[in-house]
Amino acid sequence: DAKTTQPPSMDCAEGRAANLPCNHSTISGNEYVYWYRQIHSQGPQYIIHGLKNNETNEMASLIITEDRKSSTLILPHATLRDTAVYYCIVRVGTGNQFYFGTGTSLTVIP
Amino acid sequence: DAGITQSPRHKVTETGTPVTLRCHQTENHRYMYWYRQDPGHGLRLIHYSYGVKDTDKGEVSDGYSVSRSKTEDFLLTLESATSSQTSVYFCATALVGEEQYFGPGTRLTVT
Repeated sequence: DAKTTQPPSMDCAEGRAANLPCNHSTISGNEYVYWYRQIHSQGPQYIIHGLKNNETNEMASLIITEDRKSSTLILPHATLRDTAVYYCIVRVGTGNQFYFGTGTSLTVIP
Repeated sequence: DAGITQSPRHKVTETGTPVTLRCHQTENHRYMYWYRQDPGHGLRLIHYSYGVKDTDKGEVSDGYSVSRSKTEDFLLTLESATSSQTSVYFCATALVGEEQYFGPGTRLTVT
């Protein structure tokens, strides 16, 4: 079973920040948090990942709580093209195994 | 995105027939994965490979086998397809300790 919990759906107004939460209360000290998104029926697309420090790239920011039991993906200025299912994943094992879960369906509203 | 192709992209087959899906990569990534995606389940790992001829099972491996005879190709075989294996299949690749890159998917229908 997936080791993360996400809300099934969220809405966000276009141009506003989208904040997507994720709980991973059983995460181990050496496990990374990854975020992917999937637009329509395309293959999932990598967004960002982190261990314990906050991370930022050209797509998003990742905020991980100090106890590492939860994280938030932030899309700073959501656009209609950000409408997708967003997956929060904890990387486990030695083979880069990912357990995806069912993710959060984000709808950006004009 | 990594150069990942999947073939075929769509396939309809009958129950009991063997089916092989192919994943081909041009990035020389060591790790390769097969997932299936069904409504209400997200993506579930079927099998993965951590090198040529080195493979292991994922969470939903029953009814599937894989082979990797060279770095660039990872084959997924359904020895005797069943209707429960109707799904969208995604291949992914990764370097050691890095993010996974996904292919475009194969839509398989077993009638």
